[in-house]
Amino acid sequence: EIVMTQSPATLSVSPGERVTFSCRASERIGDNLAWYQQKPGQAPRLLIYGATTRATGIPARFSGSGTGTEFTVTITSLQSADFAVYYCQQYKTWPPAYTFGQGTKLEIK
Amino acid sequence: QVHLQESGPGLVRPSETLSLTCNVSGDSINNFQYFWAWLRQPPGKGLEWIGSISSSGSAYYNPSLGGRLTISVASSKQHFSLRVDSVTAADTAVYYCARQGAGNMKDWGQGTLITVSS
Repeated sequence: EIVMTQSPATLSVSPGERVTFSCRASERIGDNLAWYQQKPGQAPRLLIYGATTRATGIPARFSGSGTGTEFTVTITSLQSADFAVYYCQQYKTWPPAYTFGQGTKLEIK
Repeated sequence: QVHLQESGPGLVRPSETLSLTCNVSGDSINNFQYFWAWLRQPPGKGLEWIGSISSSGSAYYNPSLGGRLTISVASSKQHFSLRVDSVTAADTAVYYCARQGAGNMKDWGQGTLITVSS
């Protein structure tokens, strides 16, 4: 099983700031990585796939980078709507054995 | 725009079978570009992929969940289903269905809470 490790677990930031958080895979996964945003009481929403491609309707202030085992998301100029939990997911394996990170919670400082 | 809606019993007794259905609208479930997936999230915890099925009926399951799972697709009815046998308290979670692209979950249902309790 490919283990996905996210850091940090919690990030306290102020609106308007820039923030970066990370995801590490236990083995190389190329660019087969997705990021999701989840707000309380809601289903997750796809943010980024292919490590760097924003999903439909995702604002340009979200960007993804990385390949292999190290991946990051950067959010420039944080807005109140961005405070949520973010999960990474690998989808390299075939047959499928998809795994998620444990999440990074973005909270208001 | 695709819409997915889960339906299920809410409460299941330990050792019994959990059955869930996901109704799909706004896209054909026969669209070969996509798989159809089930995921779950225990209260206060992270996300877990349960399994996925193609429009032709090829199913893949999370190996860590053992042989208790069955996913099926009913193309004529625009829905796909999940069955979990011999449930325990560890199966208590919000269950989501999703439309899956190349491994990533593009669209999600709102989720349904399933509690396993006597």
